[in-house]
Amino acid sequence: GNSVTQMEGPVTLSEEAFLTINCTYTATGYPSLFWYVQYPGEGLQLLLKATKADDKGSNKGFEATYRKETTSFHLEKGSVQVSDSAVYFCALIGSSYKLIFGSGTRLLVRP
Amino acid sequence: GAGVSQTPSNKVTEKGKYVELRCDPISGHTALYWYRQSLGQGPEFLIYFQGTGAADDSGLPNDRFFAVRPEGSVSTLKIQRTERGDSAVYLCASSLGRESPLHFGNGTRLTVT
Repeated sequence: GNSVTQMEGPVTLSEEAFLTINCTYTATGYPSLFWYVQYPGEGLQLLLKATKADDKGSNKGFEATYRKETTSFHLEKGSVQVSDSAVYFCALIGSSYKLIFGSGTRLLVRP
Repeated sequence: GAGVSQTPSNKVTEKGKYVELRCDPISGHTALYWYRQSLGQGPEFLIYFQGTGAADDSGLPNDRFFAVRPEGSVSTLKIQRTERGDSAVYLCASSLGRESPLHFGNGTRLTVT
């Protein structure tokens, strides 16, 4: 079945550091890929998405590129801020239309 | 406009009791989803409604869990004979349709003692 694997956290960075959170997936067909973010005390929010191979999703300085050849959708940001501290979830929707999540990666950005 | 609203935000119940968790989706959203999130895990799919009908209930763990959406708007997740293992955050999400982004509520934290 479809699944998502993402790097374990927590990831601790200093402000303005470069961020990468790895995500790989297993799916039949051509899934759509997503990153969701959960800020402390808030609900899950869609951060960005990509619906086909080589698409790049971007939002709030975050980017992720849909790589079909490596079945990956790594999240990157060039310069993190303290306000980016949150839990980040990689997810996919395949032919079943169920959104399948990874286990989440907690990011802590120190001033 | 209002987002997805879930009530109660917290629920503590004793083992063996019955609980109902409510979800008010965004107005006009035809698709509604229930997920369960255990500590340190990603949300796990439970059930998906398209309109009033459950289009996919393959994630419900057993027959103690049941969900309804009688008028195609508000949904209720019902758990009978609760067990300590049911303790988790129950998330509801809605969307305009199967290919649209999901909007999540803040969840109901259920604790079974």
